[in-house]
Amino acid sequence: EAGVAQSPRYKIIEKRQSVAFWCNPISGHATLYWYQQILGQGPKLLIQFQNNGVVDDSQLPKDRFSAERLKGVDSTLKIQPAKLEDSAVYLCASSNRGGTGGYEQYFGPGTRLTVT
Amino acid sequence: SQQGEEDPQALSIQEGENATMNCSYKTSINNLQWYRQNSGRGLVHLILIRSNEREKHSGRLRVTLDTSKKSSSLLITASRAADTASYFCATDGMGSYIPTFGRGTSLIVHP
Repeated sequence: EAGVAQSPRYKIIEKRQSVAFWCNPISGHATLYWYQQILGQGPKLLIQFQNNGVVDDSQLPKDRFSAERLKGVDSTLKIQPAKLEDSAVYLCASSNRGGTGGYEQYFGPGTRLTVT
Repeated sequence: SQQGEEDPQALSIQEGENATMNCSYKTSINNLQWYRQNSGRGLVHLILIRSNEREKHSGRLRVTLDTSKKSSSLLITASRAADTASYFCATDGMGSYIPTFGRGTSLIVHP
């Protein structure tokens, strides 16, 4: 079974530029998550999708971050404009359940973003 | 705010020793999960324990849950150098099924 795919793996941009990350979840997984992990901290959930609908985006800085999951499969996360504090690893995860919690999440390798 | 907090922040042991790390949380939970993260394999799920369970085993891993103390522990027996990683607990609580991660315990196992 192929795992969660993410691209790019690394990205370096200057502040105020925009950037986009792509995630392809495990086939058949209805739930998709985007996390931000700052160095030395645990992952923080940004947004959760169930199929192509948003379940929770309460921690997504909506003035600069946006995410979509077209057709309930692939997802993109965009930052525009980027700030220095956005430097982090962005992790995508998927689960074959999730609406009622308590199910294993499968994580991708992450995208390491550096904003200079 | 992060629900679970792991303790200790860092742990250094010799190969063959046991490693114990703890997770404390503040509000009632439905489920608690432990994950491992290292540079080679990213973030990997280890064990899920539900609020009505007290103990679970998986290979060399043993997880306990004490809901009265709002705490969980992860025991790794006969540790190996390959167990070197950061270990996170993630909880989802009553009314919210969104998993919340702690800051993690950094484990180093010396060969």
